[in-house]
Amino acid sequence: DQQVKQNSPSLSVQEGRISILNCDYTNSMFDYFLWYKKYPAEGPTFLISISSIKDKNEDGRFTVFLNKSAKHLSLHIVPSQPGDSAVYFCAASLLSGSARQLTFGSGTQLTVLP
Amino acid sequence: DAGITQSPRHKVTETGTPVTLRCHQTENHRYMYWYRQDPGHGLRLIHYSYGVKDTDKGEVSDGYSVSRSKTEDFLLTLESATSSQTSVYFCAISTSSGLAVGSIYNEQFFGPGTRLTVL
Repeated sequence: DQQVKQNSPSLSVQEGRISILNCDYTNSMFDYFLWYKKYPAEGPTFLISISSIKDKNEDGRFTVFLNKSAKHLSLHIVPSQPGDSAVYFCAASLLSGSARQLTFGSGTQLTVLP
Repeated sequence: DAGITQSPRHKVTETGTPVTLRCHQTENHRYMYWYRQDPGHGLRLIHYSYGVKDTDKGEVSDGYSVSRSKTEDFLLTLESATSSQTSVYFCAISTSSGLAVGSIYNEQFFGPGTRLTVL
C-alpha cells in the first residue's frame, strides 16, 4: 500500500504558465516533505522542502504548499520554463529504525512546451 | 555536488550470478542509503547505513545485502541476481541525521545511478 501517491503520471503546460504538481499521503506520522527533480540518466536532485509545522515554503519560482488536514501537498512552478521538463518526485520523511527515512511517490513527468 | 560516485554505471549480468554495486562519497557523511527505481514505484529504500558497520533494512531488502567497512564506501550485493532485480539503483547520502531533538532535517543527495540488467 503506497503511503505517498502522485496520481498524475504526466502533466503538460505551456511555457510561462503555472505548473501544479500534486501529492497525497496517508501516514500522519510524516513530519517533513520534499520535492525532487530528475532528468533522464541522472540521479534525483533536491528541489524544495517543507516542515509539517508550516503550510507554505517559497524558493524563487518554486512554492510548496502543505494541507495537513487533507494530507496533501503541491508544488507550484511559476513561470514554467522548458528546462523544468523532468520527472518530479514528492517524498515524505519520518523517523524509523536508526535513521530518518524517505518514502517516495511514483513521480510525475512534467513537460513544458515552448 | 555532494561528491557521490557509483560504479559500475551500467551492468548486464545473468540470473544466479553475484553482483556488487559500489557507492563512494568524498565528504565523510554518516548516513548512506541504497534505493531502487522502477516504473510506477518511484524510489524504494533497500538498505541504509548509519555508520561504519551499522546498517539496517529498508522497504525492499529481500535478496540484497550491504556492507560498510569504511565511511566513504557503501556496497550493495545481490548474492544471486534474479530478473526481478533488473532496475536502476541509486545511492544517497544525508548531511544530517534529523535525529537531534527538534530537528527533522533530512535532505538526501543522490548519486548518478547504476542501471542493472539481469538476463
